[in-house]
Amino acid sequence: DAGVIQSPRHEVTEMGQEVTLRCKPISGHDYLFWYRQTMMRGLELLIYFNNNVPIDDSGMPEDRFSAKMPNASFSTLKIQPSEPRDSAVYFCASDHRGTGGPNTEAFFGQGTRLTVV
Amino acid sequence: AQKVTQAQTEISVVEKEDVTLDCVYETRDTTYYLFWYKQPPSGELVFLIRRNSFDEQNEISGRYSWNFQKSTSSFNFTITASQVVDSAVYFCALSEVWNAGNMLTFGGGTRLMVKP
Repeated sequence: DAGVIQSPRHEVTEMGQEVTLRCKPISGHDYLFWYRQTMMRGLELLIYFNNNVPIDDSGMPEDRFSAKMPNASFSTLKIQPSEPRDSAVYFCASDHRGTGGPNTEAFFGQGTRLTVV
Repeated sequence: AQKVTQAQTEISVVEKEDVTLDCVYETRDTTYYLFWYKQPPSGELVFLIRRNSFDEQNEISGRYSWNFQKSTSSFNFTITASQVVDSAVYFCALSEVWNAGNMLTFGGGTRLMVKP
C-alpha cells in the first residue's frame, strides 16, 4: 500500500477563495482523522470518521470548515471562504481498529501546507 | 480531559551526547496508549513507538529507549549517542481507548537540534 495520500502537497490561495484538501486513506482502514498543525496551537484534531461517518467534529474551528467522506477511500476537507489565519499544515491519518483495540498506530499522510494570502 | 505536556520546547546538544525528551500526560482513563512521533525538517510525521497503559516495561530500539512510569504519568524518550540526523521535532501523544480509533492528543513538541 502506498500509505495515506494527500493532495495537494502545497496550496496557495487568496483570502476568500474556497480550498479543498483531499485524502486517500490506507485501504482497509476504518478510521480517518484530519489534524491541523500551526505554530500557535500545535497539532490538533479537527474531525474524525469511522466507516465514513463523522464521529467527532468538535475540533472544527468554525462553520467555514467542512469535511466529508463519501466512500471508504476518499475524504475532503473544505474551507470556504478561506482566511489568512487558516494557513497551516493539514494532516490526514488513518487506522484500523481490530477486536482488541486500535491498530498499532495512526498512519499519517505527508500533509498539505496551506497558505492563504 | 486528556492532556500531554512536553515542557522542553527546544534542546540543543552536540553529536554523540545522550539526550532525554520529557513527556507528562493527564488522563482519567485507566486504559490508554502513548506514542512518540518524529517530525523531521521535511515535515512528515514518523511513528516511533506505541505503548499501552498496562505495559510499563521500558523499551529499547537501537539508540532509542523509552521509560514509561505510570506513577509519575511520564513517558520519556532517550536518544543515546545522538546524531545530526536525529535533529527534528518530537511529539508525544496520548490516545484513550474509549475513543476507539487512535484519536491523538499531542504535546506541544520538543525541537531537538544536534550539532556536529
